[in-house]
Amino acid sequence: NAGVTQTPKFQVLKTGQSMTLQCAQDMNHEYMSWYRQDPGMGLRLIHYSVGAGITDQGEVPNGYNVSRSTTEDFPLRLLSAAPSQTSVYFCASSRQGVTEAFFGQGTRLTVV
Amino acid sequence: AQSVSQHNHHVILSEAASLELGCNYSYGGTVNLFWYVQYPGQHLQLLLKYFSGDPLVKGIKGFEAEFIKSKFSFNLRKPSVQWSDTAEYFCAVNGYNTNAGKSTFGDGTTLTVKP
Repeated sequence: NAGVTQTPKFQVLKTGQSMTLQCAQDMNHEYMSWYRQDPGMGLRLIHYSVGAGITDQGEVPNGYNVSRSTTEDFPLRLLSAAPSQTSVYFCASSRQGVTEAFFGQGTRLTVV
Repeated sequence: AQSVSQHNHHVILSEAASLELGCNYSYGGTVNLFWYVQYPGQHLQLLLKYFSGDPLVKGIKGFEAEFIKSKFSFNLRKPSVQWSDTAEYFCAVNGYNTNAGKSTFGDGTTLTVKP
């Protein structure tokens, strides 16, 4: 059982480049989320999804797009990377109802 | 808006010392509470959780936490830490009817245990 899988683990981008962070889960969870982790700021919610075809913004959505075409996948797109997006990105999934979240290994992104 | 405050940003202890990490939250309603741990180079994993019932909850690796509703607190404790407990610890909260995927996290506490 792989759980939540994120790719890539590391990425360096130049300012203005675009890329997609991949996230897949094999637990058939309805909910999926993207967080960014910055020193001294904990985890902040970027976008989340309550099911295929349904997404919504979190606390810090600017500069990021998401879509959810299947239950398993929840990619995060940076359309034009900026140095302020240098961070560690975590994808999480959870079942509907009162439960905990399961996290991927994270993607460390550096924008130069 | 809900918020979580962790009082200690960096804690340094010797092995066998007792640990208590503070967590206070702000939320206008019934809550679910979590402590997650992130070992160096690894992803976040659940340490323990409180949904309802007994306010003293026990988690993995000898950790426990007590929910004190009147103080809006959910402090994490361990009677005797080990070197392998070196990690970053996050307190998180979400509303009772809100999914855990929309949790609000504290800033984290880095625990360093000296052998």
